[in-house]
Amino acid sequence: QVQLQESGPRLVKPSETLSLTCSVSGDSINNYYWNWIRQPAGKGLEWIGRIFPGGTTRYNASLQSRVTMSVDTSKNELSLKVTSVAAADTAVYFCARGRGSPFYLDHWGQGALVAVSS
Amino acid sequence: DIQLTQSPSTLSASVGDRVTLTCRASQNINIWLAWYQQKPGKAPKLLIYKASSLESGVPARFSGSGSGTEFTLTISSLQTDDFASYYCQQYDDYPLTFGGGTTVEIK
Repeated sequence: QVQLQESGPRLVKPSETLSLTCSVSGDSINNYYWNWIRQPAGKGLEWIGRIFPGGTTRYNASLQSRVTMSVDTSKNELSLKVTSVAAADTAVYFCARGRGSPFYLDHWGQGALVAVSS
Repeated sequence: DIQLTQSPSTLSASVGDRVTLTCRASQNINIWLAWYQQKPGKAPKLLIYKASSLESGVPARFSGSGSGTEFTLTISSLQTDDFASYYCQQYDDYPLTFGGGTTVEIK
């Protein structure tokens, strides 16, 4: 059974960098697309971007200038960085596995609430 | 970006009811649509992919249909565990986008 777990600081100051890690267990991260999605409290879901291990990244244009995704295949982990954060970046951040071609999101982490506040 | 419009935004129903949720896409997305269920404080759970394929382990009372720009999710007999929010999501093109959601509440 594939399991995903987000971790990282839950409070970030404005203008600083949000950093999250998603640890994957139960399967190798190779051969799948890995995604980050966020959800502000009481609102809908926003896809941030995806990464394919050893391949390309693709980011939502709305965040592209501030987002970096990476993977560490030796640790079976993926990471997200969002720079220059503001209050509008306060949200629950989810990692999710993409399955199929084109891919849909079949396994999700439980989510990490990150607040941007001084 | 492809816009997804879900209706209704809220649906009040009783246990045993047959309910139908609608998702309309701003352009043709073929069959590349998924449906997710989300409960408060939890991650979305995949129910349907490729418009009508039932994810493994999901009860058969859930079904999806549609293609192009019009899609529906039907729950044939609503159970207490089904009171939740439902989101459609297109994966025909980047960026992946989600609908605004439909909340199914107890009548």
